[in-house]
Amino acid sequence: DTEVTQTPKHLVMGMTNKKSLKCEQHMGHRAMYWYKQKAKKPPELMFVYSYEKLSINESVPSRFSPECPNSSLLNLHLHALQPEDSALYLCASSQKDRPGLAGGVLYEQYFGPGTRLTVT
Amino acid sequence: DQQVKQNSPSLSVQEGRISILNCDYTNSMFDYFLWYKKYPAEGPTFLISISSIKDKNEDGRFTVFLNKSAKHLSLHIVPSQPGDSAVYFCAASAPNQGGKLIFGQGTELSVKP
Repeated sequence: DTEVTQTPKHLVMGMTNKKSLKCEQHMGHRAMYWYKQKAKKPPELMFVYSYEKLSINESVPSRFSPECPNSSLLNLHLHALQPEDSALYLCASSQKDRPGLAGGVLYEQYFGPGTRLTVT
Repeated sequence: DQQVKQNSPSLSVQEGRISILNCDYTNSMFDYFLWYKKYPAEGPTFLISISSIKDKNEDGRFTVFLNKSAKHLSLHIVPSQPGDSAVYFCAASAPNQGGKLIFGQGTELSVKP
């Protein structure tokens, strides 16, 4: 089973709303990721959690707030978003993040179907 | 600065023929490369990967070739099938980057019956 699930599938929110995106995996993966993808563009990394700790924040604005309640769940809390934040938000997981030169092994990332977010 | 480039935004191939998708990179620290396939309204699906210690990796109809001196990799699909029609992204990873993947812009493959 290589399934990553994301809810909701679609979300429309106003600029003053607060909403959350949810991601779940039951593969025992210990690294989880949030990506943002605009139309006709590649996915761009936002955050990485490794063993439930935030390990990478790609200078994402504070209106995006990630949370990893446990090893299977990843949330992205949204507040005061702008219309330009409208995009497909993808969650991914991998067995573990890259251990570095000593390990030399990359664990493939498996993606969920995404949440299509529209900010009005 | 685009570290991973896919210079062909689209490719059209006849069913049964070979599809060749190309990817170039500039960062010599990249040592692991992956190909993902993406259908509309779905997340990317992992296809095949290659480590920089190899120059070829094969999995069924999919083969990835890596030319480190040219900083170039390619994905070959033989034979191509209509179900292969999708956007293909190559991605690269460097050590000590916490698993961060750098994606190319994607190539949209259309396989015609």
